[in-house]
Amino acid sequence: AQSVAQPEDQVNVAEGNPLTVKCTYSVSGNPYLFWYVQYPNRGLQFLLKYITGDNLVKGSYGFEAEFNKSQTSFHLKKPSALVSDSALYFCAVRDNTGGFKTIFGAGTRLFVKA
Amino acid sequence: KAGVTQTPRYLIKTRGQQVTLSCSPISGHRSVSWYQQTPGQGLQFLFEYFSETQRNKGNFPGRFSGRQFSNSRSEMNVSTLELGDSALYLCASSLAPLAVNTGELFFGEGSRLTVL
Repeated sequence: AQSVAQPEDQVNVAEGNPLTVKCTYSVSGNPYLFWYVQYPNRGLQFLLKYITGDNLVKGSYGFEAEFNKSQTSFHLKKPSALVSDSALYFCAVRDNTGGFKTIFGAGTRLFVKA
Repeated sequence: KAGVTQTPRYLIKTRGQQVTLSCSPISGHRSVSWYQQTPGQGLQFLFEYFSETQRNKGNFPGRFSGRQFSNSRSEMNVSTLELGDSALYLCASSLAPLAVNTGELFFGEGSRLTVL
């Protein structure tokens, strides 16, 4: 069965510092992996995805993520955090064996302090 | 290009009532999926519609239903509302059915339902 785990409910980082939001997954086939961001009272916005190819994926707003097959992880990173990055971040996974369902992690709330 | 539009944005109902939520996908998108978001359960998949047919359904009771029209607009209905149905209901659209879609989902801003 598919599953995705975001082990941290909350991540705190100072503005200008690098940030990492963790995600690990479990799928039966090869994974399609996604990161979304949600601002208060808004829907989810797509940040980036990994389907195949280069393990380092670059996305919107300076975010990137690294796919690690051996560790089944897809951590979201940014070299220098901004206060405006404060939001709720969701990791999502879908397998490529014909499964239809995108499974979302519980979300990690990122606080960036000035 | 207009995004995914959900109406109403906010609504308050009482237990036992029913509610209908609407979602207009991005022009050209034929797949519409619905999610329930609550603080305790995160995002839970409700169902997906493609070309007016329900393709997949999550683990929700029969009180939750939906449909899709020929213009790809979708509605979901919740009957006999319970307090636990209070949530943000999100609609997402995509060009292809979820089963073959390698792209991202495009979400609306959600309909926040409060059941009193």
